[in-house]
Amino acid sequence: TQLLEQSPQFLSIQEGENLTVYCNSSSVFSSLQWYRQEPGEGPVLLVTVVTGGEVKKLKRLTFQFGDARKDSSLHITAAQPGDTGLYLCAGFKPQGGSEKLVFGKGMKLTVNP
Amino acid sequence: ETGVTQTPRHLVMGMTNKKSLKCEQHLGHNAMYWYKQSAKKPLELMFVYNFKEQTENNSVPSRFSPECPNSSHLFLHLHTLQPEDSALYLCASSQATYTQYFGPGTRLTVL
Repeated sequence: TQLLEQSPQFLSIQEGENLTVYCNSSSVFSSLQWYRQEPGEGPVLLVTVVTGGEVKKLKRLTFQFGDARKDSSLHITAAQPGDTGLYLCAGFKPQGGSEKLVFGKGMKLTVNP
Repeated sequence: ETGVTQTPRHLVMGMTNKKSLKCEQHLGHNAMYWYKQSAKKPLELMFVYNFKEQTENNSVPSRFSPECPNSSHLFLHLHTLQPEDSALYLCASSQATYTQYFGPGTRLTVL
């Protein structure tokens, strides 16, 4: 079973549209991160959310951490072709005295001009 | 150079070949990681090194052999791989267990 479920897995939209990506789990995470990965590159960190209910904004991107720290969402307003990429959520989970970072499968976004 | 670099960026090898992937980080971090990224699967953590010592091996087959000579360099030695090992291999580094910074990856194809 997947620890972090992302939905949708694929999304193709037109420039200017809005979208929301979800990252859900039955486990509690101490913090959660969102990454964007472009073709041929490694993931790049977008944001880290730590507090339950926290909302962070990065230009047209809005990130929210669920109150129970089990889920998160990423909302993109007025998507642009430059937003195209694979969006990964990853959660820090306590394990053996330290924390382990676990990833979801990702959501592949294509924004068409 | 800055950040995390990986070489080669692309590698094609036969099942009987021996090759090595190299990762170098210029961030002064003390932890380095190898991940495998396959289609339709989440990023899979393979190995973790802290201060040159291996602290995690996630049941990775012995045909993958990591080496960390110092905190800035990490290698992944490959031998007798299988076609299902074809994937993007990503290296990352971090300061302790905090935010990981990824390299661009090596796209490996095993024939």
